[in-house]
Amino acid sequence: KQEVTQIPAALSVPEGENLVLNCSFTDSAIYNLQWFRQDPGKGLTSLLLIQSSQREQTSGRLNASLDKSSGRSTLYIAASQPGDSATYLCAVRGDYGQNFVFGPGTRLSVLP
Amino acid sequence: DAGITQSPRYKITETGRQVTLMCHQTWSHSYMFWYRQDLGHGLRLIYYSAAADITDKGEVPDGYVVSRSKTENFPLTLESATRSQTSVYFCASTTSGPVGAQYFGPGTRLTVL
Repeated sequence: KQEVTQIPAALSVPEGENLVLNCSFTDSAIYNLQWFRQDPGKGLTSLLLIQSSQREQTSGRLNASLDKSSGRSTLYIAASQPGDSATYLCAVRGDYGQNFVFGPGTRLSVLP
Repeated sequence: DAGITQSPRYKITETGRQVTLMCHQTWSHSYMFWYRQDLGHGLRLIYYSAAADITDKGEVPDGYVVSRSKTENFPLTLESATRSQTSVYFCASTTSGPVGAQYFGPGTRLTVL
């Protein structure tokens, strides 16, 4: 059974810092991995999708990498801003079905 | 571009009542999903559907019923609501095949008294 973990559970940084969020999964047989952002009381917003054949994806200040063989993905946020404060979740899509398995999330606070 | 909409956004009901949460998507995505999100448990899959008239159980299906007579709609029914079903419910969709991204609706906050 696929299990997804995220470290750290919470992170607080001053504005302007570069930071890395980590996502680990136990079964490397995945189709893709997706990073989401969730603001309090809101739905999930898709940030980046990495296919299993890809190593990384970039969107603006965000860069996500994938090392499928080691079961790891990182989300790099450059020059963090207070508006980046949210919970970040990763989800993997397994090749044995259409299910997505989510990690518990990392709660990020960027202090002005 | 409406994407995925959910209704109602907030619902308060009583134990034993039947409740239906609606989900509608405008993309004609093949796959649709229902999740519940609870503190300490994260997002858990309740049911999913690969196409109209095709549904399958997820991790926590007990107490829930789904149907999908049209591609764009995927209602979730709580046949006899219990307090343990108090949660935030999210609907999501994705294109067919293994490479699609998942997109979420805004959620329905359900409270069962």
